[in-house]
Amino acid sequence: DAGVTQSPTHLIKTRGQQVTLRCSPKSGHDTVSWYQQALGQGPQFIFQYYEEEERQRGNFPDRFSGHQFPNYSSELNVNALLLGDSALYLCASSWTTGDTEAFFGQGTRLTVV
Amino acid sequence: AQSVAQPEDQVNVAEGNPLTVKCTYSVSGNPYLFWYVQYPNRGLQFLLKYITGDNLVKGSYGFEAEFNKSQTSFHLKKPSALVSDSALYFCAVREVDSNYQLIWGAGTKLIIKP
Repeated sequence: DAGVTQSPTHLIKTRGQQVTLRCSPKSGHDTVSWYQQALGQGPQFIFQYYEEEERQRGNFPDRFSGHQFPNYSSELNVNALLLGDSALYLCASSWTTGDTEAFFGQGTRLTVV
Repeated sequence: AQSVAQPEDQVNVAEGNPLTVKCTYSVSGNPYLFWYVQYPNRGLQFLLKYITGDNLVKGSYGFEAEFNKSQTSFHLKKPSALVSDSALYFCAVREVDSNYQLIWGAGTKLIIKP
């Protein structure tokens, strides 16, 4: 089992550009969540996808959008990048029941210059 | 509003000594509580969780945590620290039946000195 895999591992973008990050969940998991982790801080919830729909969203602007595919993999899209979007973006997968733990990928380090 | 507090930015412990990393939380209803560990340039690894039942939960790598409802705390403990335990530790909470997102503390850097 490969666990949760994210791509790419590192990315450098220019302000105003758009970026797409990808995530493949752990085998058998049907729910994918995305988190933003700024340096020296805890993760911040962006949104969660289940059954190809956004089930819950954190306090992030509409520039952040996502998608879940029928095979449960997911994408995170960020438009009009700002310097403040520089962070580690973490994907987590789980079963949909609330008492199960989430498994995290290694993250994508996004740097906006 | 839900919140998690990890009052110590850093905890220093000598190898072989017991360690405690503190966590307190605030939720409206009942909580699910989690501890994760993060090594440099890595994602988060699950250590243990409290869902219901016994207040003392045991997890990976010899770690355990005690849920205290009256003090709204979920402190992480280990009887004998190893140098390899040095890492960043995060406490997280999810409110039962009303929320899907994990709310995270700011993290505590644990340094184990030989």
